Amino acid sequence: EAGVTQFPSHSVIEKGQTVTLRCDPISGHDNLYWYRRVMGKEIKFLLHFVKESKQDESGMPNNRFLAERTGGTYSTLKVQPAELEDSGVYFCASSQDWRTGSSGANVLTFGAGSRLTVL
Amino acid sequence: AQRVTQPEKLLSVFKGAPVELKCNYSYSGSPELFWYVQYSRQRLQLLLRHISRESIKGFTADLNKGETSFHLKKPFAQEEDSAMYYCALGRGYQKVTFGTGTKLQVIP
Repeated sequence: EAGVTQFPSHSVIEKGQTVTLRCDPISGHDNLYWYRRVMGKEIKFLLHFVKESKQDESGMPNNRFLAERTGGTYSTLKVQPAELEDSGVYFCASSQDWRTGSSGANVLTFGAGSRLTVL
Repeated sequence: AQRVTQPEKLLSVFKGAPVELKCNYSYSGSPELFWYVQYSRQRLQLLLRHISRESIKGFTADLNKGETSFHLKKPFAQEEDSAMYYCALGRGYQKVTFGTGTKLQVIP
């Protein structure tokens, strides 16, 4: 079974430019999350998709961030225009729907992360 | 609002010593608690969850609803336990919230 895939692994851009991060979740996982690790430590929630719908986007810092999940499959996170404080590692994770009652429900499988450096 | 607190940023212990990583939470309802771990150059991964009531790599964690805690414990630390540990809380359709993480350093 393929894991959660994120692309690119590392992106270096200048302030004001645009970057789009992509996440391919595990096939069949309805839940898709975006998180950001700041200062190398804290993992902060950005948003949560259930299939193609945004269940919770309370963690999105501002309107420069736009997340989509077309067709309930892969997701993209666009930052436009990027600012210095957007630097960090962006993690994507997916999980089975809790209503499946399976042992994997609510257990997050993480991607390797996309490191964003804004200069 | 759900919140997870890990008071220690860094915990250093000698090999063979007991380990306890602290985690406290706030949640209005019945929470589901997890411990995730990230070893060097590896992905963040699940270590254990409270509903499984199992021991993974010698680690255990007991949910104490009275103290709203979910501390991670291991009687004898090993060098390979050195990693970043995150306590997390989630329930049903709600988001999974992570603590700030504790770096465990096991000294040979």
